[in-house]
Amino acid sequence: DSGVTQTPKHLITATGQRVTLRCSPRSGDLSVYWYQQSLDQGLQFLIQYYNGEERAKGNILERFSAQQFPDLHSELNLSSLELGDSALYFCASSVGVRPGETQYFGPGTRLLVL
Amino acid sequence: QQPVQSPQAVILREGEDAVINCSSSKALYSVHWYRQKHGEAPVFLMILLKGGEQKGHDKISASFNEKKQQSSLYLTASQLSYSGTYFCGTEKLGSQGNLIFGKGTKLSVKP
Repeated sequence: DSGVTQTPKHLITATGQRVTLRCSPRSGDLSVYWYQQSLDQGLQFLIQYYNGEERAKGNILERFSAQQFPDLHSELNLSSLELGDSALYFCASSVGVRPGETQYFGPGTRLLVL
Repeated sequence: QQPVQSPQAVILREGEDAVINCSSSKALYSVHWYRQKHGEAPVFLMILLKGGEQKGHDKISASFNEKKQQSSLYLTASQLSYSGTYFCGTEKLGSQGNLIFGKGTKLSVKP
């Protein structure tokens, strides 16, 4: 158990809908990262937040957005969902933003768009 | 920019050794190694920082060749529990915190 929690574990929805994924980092960690893992794209970095502020952006679609709240939990919002958005979404956390910090992954949310 | 991992897949018998390589075309600050079992989250194994250090714990170790921007993961005397997909994540100089993962190496250890 990494100490990172994610809810829900599974989500089934329809195309065009909007969903929110939630992540709580390990106690004491200020950085949260979101990743998408699909069979064809592998593990892709989406976005990073540090202490409430956006820190780095990866391959995140404009239909996706995220935020980190004062209590440090983070939410990833996915809107206008398409079939291709079906994937495992992982959240990871680390202590801060220094280079070389270990990122601990949560159990993931499996999203299925029908 | 995605690091290249090789081999893509390897099958071992218990007790055999394996080497997984991770190469980048960019100057790296660090290389992170993770193991992921099917349907589970990636589990951290180790980080190697620029400087060419070698790390290890138990029978899994890794090295980072800064000149070649290449890291290798060494698994010795493999156990059934080593089965899974191994990912390297690279952190470029100037892009700290932004991990770019390779496509993974699927390792299967048979009895």
